[in-house]
Amino acid sequence: DSGVTQTPKHLITATGQRVTLRCSPRSGDLSVYWYQQSLDQGLQFLIQYYNGEERAKGNILERFSAQQFPDLHSELNLSSLELGDSALYFCASSVDPSGSDEQYFGPGTRLTVT
Amino acid sequence: GQNIDQPTEMTATEGAIVQINCTYQTSGFNGLFWYQQHAGEAPTFLSYNVLDGLEEKGRFSSFLSRSKGYSYLLLKELQMKDSASYLCAVGSGNTPLVFGKGTRLSVIA
Repeated sequence: DSGVTQTPKHLITATGQRVTLRCSPRSGDLSVYWYQQSLDQGLQFLIQYYNGEERAKGNILERFSAQQFPDLHSELNLSSLELGDSALYFCASSVDPSGSDEQYFGPGTRLTVT
Repeated sequence: GQNIDQPTEMTATEGAIVQINCTYQTSGFNGLFWYQQHAGEAPTFLSYNVLDGLEEKGRFSSFLSRSKGYSYLLLKELQMKDSASYLCAVGSGNTPLVFGKGTRLSVIA
């Protein structure tokens, strides 16, 4: 158990809909990262927050947004969903904001868009 | 930019030794990580190298050559449960880790 929690575990929704994925980092970790992993694909970095502020942005679509709250949990919002958004979404956390330290991954949310 | 290359797939026999290579190109270097990921599960940390040389941890070892932009993960006494994807990730500057696409290892009897 990494100490990172994600909810929900599974999500099935229709195209055009909007969903929110939630992540709670390990106790003491201020940095949160979101990744997307499609079938047989590598981890695609989406976005990083550190202590409530956006720190780095990767290949995140405009239809996606995220935020980190004062209690350090983070939410990833996906809107106008398309079939191609079906993937595993992982959240990870770390102590260091630089991104060059070990990241602890949550169990992921499997999103299926039908 | 950063570029990380690793083989897509490898197959090895139970009880054998396998070496998974990773080459990278990066501006600045803070360290190299190896993660293991079983299908449908979260990646889990295996090793971290910041200096040249070999780091040994039980059946797993990781090697780094910064001048060559090269690392490998060595798995000894392979077990069926080692069948998984192995991800190489590089940290540089103040940017988040960049992950390779992963090497899918199949261990066969």
